[in-house]
Amino acid sequence: AQTVTQSQPEMSVQEAETVTLSCTYDTSESDYYLFWYKQPPSRQMILVIRQEAYKQQNATENRFSVNFQKAAKSFSLKISDSQLGDAAMYFCAYRRRNTDKLIFGTGTRLQVFP
Amino acid sequence: DGGITQSPKYLFRKEGQNVTLSCEQNLNHDAMYWYRQDPGQGLRLIYYSQIVNDFQKGDIAEGYSVSREKKESFPLTVTSAQKNPTAFYLCASSITGTYTGELFFGEGSRLTVL
Repeated sequence: AQTVTQSQPEMSVQEAETVTLSCTYDTSESDYYLFWYKQPPSRQMILVIRQEAYKQQNATENRFSVNFQKAAKSFSLKISDSQLGDAAMYFCAYRRRNTDKLIFGTGTRLQVFP
Repeated sequence: DGGITQSPKYLFRKEGQNVTLSCEQNLNHDAMYWYRQDPGQGLRLIYYSQIVNDFQKGDIAEGYSVSREKKESFPLTVTSAQKNPTAFYLCASSITGTYTGELFFGEGSRLTVL
């Protein structure tokens, strides 16, 4: 069975600094998607970034980028120039291609200090 | 505006009562999902449906029931058989067999059993 592990329950960062959130996953599949979702205090889940496993290039969305290491089954999220609005729970998630189930990690709470 | 609407946002129930959480989407998505969120446990899949009049159990389906009579609607009933129903419930939808893999989420419903 596929699993997603986020080993950092909480992280903190100073405004304008960079922080990296860790995620590892376990799968025997070769074709899948990986995601980072953000859940702010409003509780609505927002997609931050997506990575397709067959793409070697790491995904980037503005200040958010990933370090995707397929062999190591690692998918970390880097947030550059952190802002107060980045404070939230961040969830890593996995989905095998052509299936409809998204599997989530337990989340990392990110605090941003001014 | 296209999106997913969950209601009610907050719900209180006495032990032994069934309650139904509503989820409606106007994104024309085929697949719909219900997740349960508890502190420290991430999101766990309760039920999902890929097409009208069909649905599958997720990882924690016991004590819950669903129906999918219309493409737009996927209500979740929390029955009295659910031993620990107090939680935050998230509904989501996606395009089936997709291409991007992502889920779109509603704002959630918080159920408290008194």
